Amino acid sequence: AQSVTQPDIHITVSEGASLELRCNYSYGATPYLFWYVQSPGQGLQLLLKYFSGDTLVQGIKGFEAEFKRSQSSFNLRKPSVHWSDAAEYFCAVGHSGGYQKVTFGTGTKLQVIP
Amino acid sequence: DTEVTQTPKHLVMGMTNKKSLKCEQHMGHRAMYWYKQKAKKPPELMFVYSYEKLSINESVPSRFSPECPNSSLLNLHLHALQPEDSALYLCASSPFQGDYGYTFGSGTRLTVV
Repeated sequence: AQSVTQPDIHITVSEGASLELRCNYSYGATPYLFWYVQSPGQGLQLLLKYFSGDTLVQGIKGFEAEFKRSQSSFNLRKPSVHWSDAAEYFCAVGHSGGYQKVTFGTGTKLQVIP
Repeated sequence: DTEVTQTPKHLVMGMTNKKSLKCEQHMGHRAMYWYKQKAKKPPELMFVYSYEKLSINESVPSRFSPECPNSSLLNLHLHALQPEDSALYLCASSPFQGDYGYTFGSGTRLTVV
């Protein structure tokens, strides 16, 4: 079954520093992969998505992610973090075939310190 | 209009009450979803509607009853809930069921007392 794993529960970075959030997927074929962000008490917002093609995907708010099939990874990056980026980040995989739904990873909480 | 609107934002209900959550979108999306999210956990899928028909029910207890009266509206009727049902209930939509770029509402924070 398709699944994603986010190994980091909590990450703290300084404002202005670079960021990388890890996501590993388990899927036989090329997966549909996503990153969502959730601010406290809010809904989720789609940052970016990967279906096929170029393995480096650009998203909103200056985020990007790179699909690496050899490492079964889809890590999220940002070159310079802003205090407003503090939130929960979810990696997700879309199931193909007849059972079309999205499964979310357990999330990584990002704390940004001055 | 690129939003999914959920009402109410907060709801407190007793275990014998009947209440409903409402979700509305005007983006022309034909797939709509209900998710349940407990604190510090990822969202868990409850129901999927595709073209106003129930497509997926993730073995949700019958005290939760979804309804999709038209392509813009999605309701979740609640009856005889338990305290453990307290959670953030999120609605989402997408152009069609296989398009996973969801637009989420801000959710209804439900507390069952």
